Amino acid sequence: GDSVTQMEGPVTLSEEAFLTINCTYTATGYPSLFWYVQYPGEGLQLLLKATKADDKGSNKGFEATYRKETTSFHLEKGSVQVSDSAVYFCALSETGTYKYIFGTGTRLKVLA
Amino acid sequence: GAGVSQSPRYKVAKRGQDVALRCDPISGHVSLFWYQQALGQGPEFLTYFQNEAQLDKSGLPSDRFFAERPEGSVSTLKIQRTQQEDSAVYLCASSLGGTGNQPQHFGDGTRLSIL
Repeated sequence: GDSVTQMEGPVTLSEEAFLTINCTYTATGYPSLFWYVQYPGEGLQLLLKATKADDKGSNKGFEATYRKETTSFHLEKGSVQVSDSAVYFCALSETGTYKYIFGTGTRLKVLA
Repeated sequence: GAGVSQSPRYKVAKRGQDVALRCDPISGHVSLFWYQQALGQGPEFLTYFQNEAQLDKSGLPSDRFFAERPEGSVSTLKIQRTQQEDSAVYLCASSLGGTGNQPQHFGDGTRLSIL
């Protein structure tokens, strides 16, 4: 079945460091891909999405490119801030379906 | 505008009690979803409504779990005879349409603790 694999956390970075959180997926069709962020005590917020191969989603300085050849959707940010500390979830939704399949999440901690 | 609203935020119940969790989706959103999120894990799908119709309940872990959306807006997730393994955060999400490429908007969740 479909699945999403994220790099294990926690990831600890200093402020202004470069961030990469790896996400790979397994799907039978052509899924849409999402990154969600969860701040402490809050629900998930959509960070960015991509619906087809080679699409780049971007928001708040974060970017991710839908790579069909490597079945990946890695999250990147050039310069992280303390306020980016949160748990990041990669998710997919198969074409024509509604169900999201989430990875286990990667906790990011940014130190001042 | 208002987002997805869930209540209560926290619920503590004794094993064997029944609980009801409420979700108020974004106005006009056709689709509504319930997920269960265990500690340190990603959300896992429980059930899906399109308007008042429950189109998929394949993720409900047992027949103790029941969800409804009688008028196509507010939804309630009910858990009967709660067990300790039901302790989790229950997330509700809604989306404008019914296809997977439309983003789901999540509420803050209800943290359920079973003693």
